[in-house]
Amino acid sequence: EAGVVQSPRYKIIEKKQPVAFWCNPISGHNTLYWYLQNLGQGPELLIRYENEEAVDDSQLPKDRFSAERLKGVDSTLKIQPAELGDSAVYLCASSPQWTSDEQFFGPGTRLTVL
Amino acid sequence: TQLLEQSPQFLSIQEGENLTVYCNSSSVFSSLQWYRQEPGEGPVLLVTVVTGGEVKKLKRLTFQFGDARKDSSLHITAAQPGDTGLYLCAGLANTNAGKSTFGDGTTLTVKP
Repeated sequence: EAGVVQSPRYKIIEKKQPVAFWCNPISGHNTLYWYLQNLGQGPELLIRYENEEAVDDSQLPKDRFSAERLKGVDSTLKIQPAELGDSAVYLCASSPQWTSDEQFFGPGTRLTVL
Repeated sequence: TQLLEQSPQFLSIQEGENLTVYCNSSSVFSSLQWYRQEPGEGPVLLVTVVTGGEVKKLKRLTFQFGDARKDSSLHITAAQPGDTGLYLCAGLANTNAGKSTFGDGTTLTVKP
């Protein structure tokens, strides 16, 4: 069974540029999460989807961040415009349903904003 | 807001030594997970504990959930270089359904 796939693995951009990350969850997993992880810290939830519905986006900086999961499968997280402080690892995770204890994480996208 | 505090933040030991890392909170969790994360990879689940006082063993790793379900510990016996990584605890609270709160982790280095 394939795991959570994320691309790209690394991205270097200049500040004020847009950037997008893509995630394909494990087949059949209804719940999808986007996390931000700074160096030396644990993951912080940005947004959680149940199928195509964003059920928790309270931590998503909506002035510059947006996400979509149009068909309830893969998802895209976008930042426009990027700021220096956005440099971090962006992790995608999925679980069979929101009541599941276990989350399956992808390898993450390491973003560097110059 | 449920906060999980992990200690120590960093731990460097020699192969063969034993160690314990801690995960503490003032909040009650319905379940608590321990993950291990290697550089350049996402966290991988090691165990889930649900019942207060529960002890689970995974080879050389022993996990304990506090009686009040507010804290947990991870004990590693005879650590090996392959145990090196970031150990994260995450709590799932009934009052915040579906949302896990992660601690900042303990970075463990086991030297050969």
